Amino acid sequence: AQSVAQPEDQVNVAEGNPLTVKCTYSVSGNPYLFWYVQYPNRGLQFLLKYITGDNLVKGSYGFEAEFNKSQTSFHLKKPSALVSDSALYFCAVRVTTSGTYKYIFGTGTRLKVLA
Amino acid sequence: NAGVTQTPKFRVLKTGQSMTLLCAQDMNHEYMYWYRQDPGMGLRLIHYSVGEGTTAKGEVPDGYNVSRLKKQNFLLGLESAAPSQTSVYFCASRKTTSGGGTGELFFGEGSRLTVL
Repeated sequence: AQSVAQPEDQVNVAEGNPLTVKCTYSVSGNPYLFWYVQYPNRGLQFLLKYITGDNLVKGSYGFEAEFNKSQTSFHLKKPSALVSDSALYFCAVRVTTSGTYKYIFGTGTRLKVLA
Repeated sequence: NAGVTQTPKFRVLKTGQSMTLLCAQDMNHEYMYWYRQDPGMGLRLIHYSVGEGTTAKGEVPDGYNVSRLKKQNFLLGLESAAPSQTSVYFCASRKTTSGGGTGELFFGEGSRLTVL
């Protein structure tokens, strides 16, 4: 079955330190991978995506993600965390089912950046 | 530019009551989706639509119906609400790839439904 896993329910990091939020996937074919962020009582906002090309993709708010095909991972990173980065982060993969694209989301990782 | 708008934002129902959630997008997107978000379960697809007049079932369609009579609107209906349908519901939309879309979904701000 095609799936996305976010192994950590919560990640705590001190402000100014680098952060990593992990995501692994299991899909057939070449994946389209996405990261979204959700602030309290808001909808999901697109951060970045990997479709093809350079394995390191840059997105909004200084976030980047590294696609690793051999490890089937797409970890979200930021060199220096801000308190305002505290939110819920979702990894997603686009799959093709019955000729239609669908999106499978991970269960989310809550990031807490401590001042 | 409003993007994706959901109404209502909050609703409390009694078991057995019916209601409709409205999703409206002003981006001329072909694809529209309804998800529910539950703690520890991420987002699960309820129904989706690939264009005006067409709908299809997602991962958890039971107890819900949808309609897409106009391209910009996607309605989610609960005919007889159950406590298990207490959740936060999100609508999303996107362009087709042939129409210049690159795959990302655009989300509304959610509708929080409580069924007592």
